[in-house]
Amino acid sequence: GAVVSQHPSWVICKSGTSVKIECRSLDFQATTMFWYRQFPKQSLMLMATSNEGSKATYEQGVEKDKFLINHASLTLSTLTVTSAHPEDSSFYICSARSGGYGANVLTFGAGSRLTVL
Amino acid sequence: AQSVTQLDSQVPVFEEAPVELRCNYSSSVSVYLFWYVQYPNQGLQLLLKYLSGSTLVKGINGFEAEFNKSQTSFHLRKPSVHISDTAEYFCAVSEGGKSTFGDGTTLTVKP
Repeated sequence: GAVVSQHPSWVICKSGTSVKIECRSLDFQATTMFWYRQFPKQSLMLMATSNEGSKATYEQGVEKDKFLINHASLTLSTLTVTSAHPEDSSFYICSARSGGYGANVLTFGAGSRLTVL
Repeated sequence: AQSVTQLDSQVPVFEEAPVELRCNYSSSVSVYLFWYVQYPNQGLQLLLKYLSGSTLVKGINGFEAEFNKSQTSFHLRKPSVHISDTAEYFCAVSEGGKSTFGDGTTLTVKP
């Protein structure tokens, strides 16, 4: 079945630094990827939709200059948290959607836990 | 606009007992419905999905769900739970390629 790899799974950084999280579709081409943020004991909050070869579409209230998304190929999307602050600490999850009949089925990465000191 | 309501935030149950996790949705058009499971510090894993056809869908780990259009529900059931089923469960609706998730139900299976 479809597999999405997310890296790193854990990252700790100092306040003011930038962190990059990668999301890769391993055995299929993902024309669309999604980035979510999840706070403890809460549901997933969609941050942005990443389309290969075009600019990401951000949800209302998400700072696009702070959360940079790049989807340069059909198998890789990256999320860069720029100038991270402690309030950016969270669990970030990506998902990928392939084309065709299964277009509404999402495959999720394992998530990346970011801790900003 | 689509929305999902998971009616129970926490469901405690004893091992080998049956369980039902409730999910109601609202949507303006035909929908696709999903149940996902999340174990601690992990991503979401698809349990089952309803895209079309039979309203009773079977998924992995012995779970099943029934799509009820008149009641706009998609409740998840398992006839006999195991300790390993302890996890967070999310119901989701997909419309136009965008998914909306419920707030989640914490299933705790006790010995």
